[in-house]
Amino acid sequence: EDQVTQSPEALRLQEGESSSLNCSYTVSGLRGLFWYRQDPGKGPEFLFTLYSAGEEKEKERLKATLTKKESFLHITAPKPEDSATYLCAAGRDSGGSNYKLTFGKGTLLTVNP
Amino acid sequence: DGGITQSPKYLFRKEGQNVTLSCEQNLNHDAMYWYRQDPGQGLRLIYYSQIVNDFQKGDIAEGYSVSREKKESFPLTVTSAQKNPTAFYLCATPRGPSSPGYTFGSGTRLTVV
Repeated sequence: EDQVTQSPEALRLQEGESSSLNCSYTVSGLRGLFWYRQDPGKGPEFLFTLYSAGEEKEKERLKATLTKKESFLHITAPKPEDSATYLCAAGRDSGGSNYKLTFGKGTLLTVNP
Repeated sequence: DGGITQSPKYLFRKEGQNVTLSCEQNLNHDAMYWYRQDPGQGLRLIYYSQIVNDFQKGDIAEGYSVSREKKESFPLTVTSAQKNPTAFYLCATPRGPSSPGYTFGSGTRLTVV
C-alpha cells in the first residue's frame, strides 16, 4: 500500500528563520513527487514536481529536494505570506499519461512577523 | 480564462438528502478527479474519470456517485448513504500533457445540518 508521511504536523517560525519540511514515502514505481501549497478554504496550488533522486527545484524562498525515500521542502528566510499548509503527494502510473496521487496529511506552517 | 470551477462554495445538507456538487473545466482535459479532505487527514480519492462516459471508484467511493456525460463536467452526488459527509470536497484535472500533477478547483465545503 502506498504511504506518504509528512513531518512535522505543524511548524511555527519567526520571519527570517529558515527550516525544512519532510515528506517520506513508500510508493511502488514512483513516477513523481509533488509539492502543493494550500491556503485556508482554498484548493491546493501546485509548487513542484520532482522525478528522480538528487533532483532539486527552486521557487523564490522554496527549494524542494528528493532522495529515494524522502523529499524535503526547504524554506529560506520565510515571510508571513509563506504561512500555509504544504502538501506532499507521491504519484505512480494509473494508465495513459495519468498519475495516481497519494497525499500526506500536510504540514501547517505559520510564520510570525 | 482556462481553469476548473467548483460550485457552490458552501453547501448544507439535511439528514437523508442527496446533494450534488458541480465541477466544470474548460481545459479540454480527458481526466477529472474528486477528492475529499478532512481536518488532519490527507486528500482521499473518491472517484475519477479518464474519459467521457467512463469513471472508476477511488479509495472511498461508498455513499457517493458520479456521472461523466460531457468532457467539461464531472458532478459528484453525495447520497444519503454517506454517513459522515461533512468535509471539504476538491475536484481536479491534470495540469497538462507535459505537466504532471493536478490543477485543483477552489473546493466545496459541505456541512450536514
